[in-house]
Amino acid sequence: QKEVEQDPGPLSVPEGAIVSLNCTYSNSAFQYFMWYRQYSRKGPELLMYTYSSGNKEDGRFTAQVDKSSKYISLFIRDSQPSDSATYLCSSYKLIFGSGTRLLVRP
Amino acid sequence: DVKVTQSSRYLVKRTGEKVFLECVQDMDHENMFWYRQDPGLGLRLIYFSYDVKMKEKGDIPEGYSVSREKKERFSLILESASTNQTSMYLCASSRWTGEAGELFFGEGSRLTVL
Repeated sequence: QKEVEQDPGPLSVPEGAIVSLNCTYSNSAFQYFMWYRQYSRKGPELLMYTYSSGNKEDGRFTAQVDKSSKYISLFIRDSQPSDSATYLCSSYKLIFGSGTRLLVRP
Repeated sequence: DVKVTQSSRYLVKRTGEKVFLECVQDMDHENMFWYRQDPGLGLRLIYFSYDVKMKEKGDIPEGYSVSREKKERFSLILESASTNQTSMYLCASSRWTGEAGELFFGEGSRLTVL
């Protein structure tokens, strides 16, 4: 079992939709969780990070951690075509999910 | 603005050739990393280094070696390239060794081995 699992997508949504991206992890010792965004032909960039359980909000983005179920979520409100990218979750910085490709249609 | 620079964006090499991928960071970070990225497999750690002349194996070190002679520079070496090493290679750096450190990535080097 991979330590971090992520649905590869692609996920295609219309502009303005609420997007939910999800990961599961297996190691209950993980405390920090990160979301990276990777545009085509670019390296990943840190989007958000959260510590332990709970929510963290930054503009249109909300990161959520449920430690009881070992579930990590990233919500994007009012999605824009510029949000089209691959989103990678990371629990502990050396371990990444496989990434979910998101396409927001104008 | 922080920067991780990978010397070659696209390379085409032949089987058996020796390949050098260079990475330079200007943030004075202690830690540097090499990942490869393949569809469906995500990012997999090849090697990392937490100090000059120090290196640690990641999850998939076979067929690769690294060199870190200076703090800002971390090189990935393929001694004898093979077709299954065709991939996107990403270099990253980080200030912290602990769990919470943000990784700063370069733009990647896409290697094709024929």
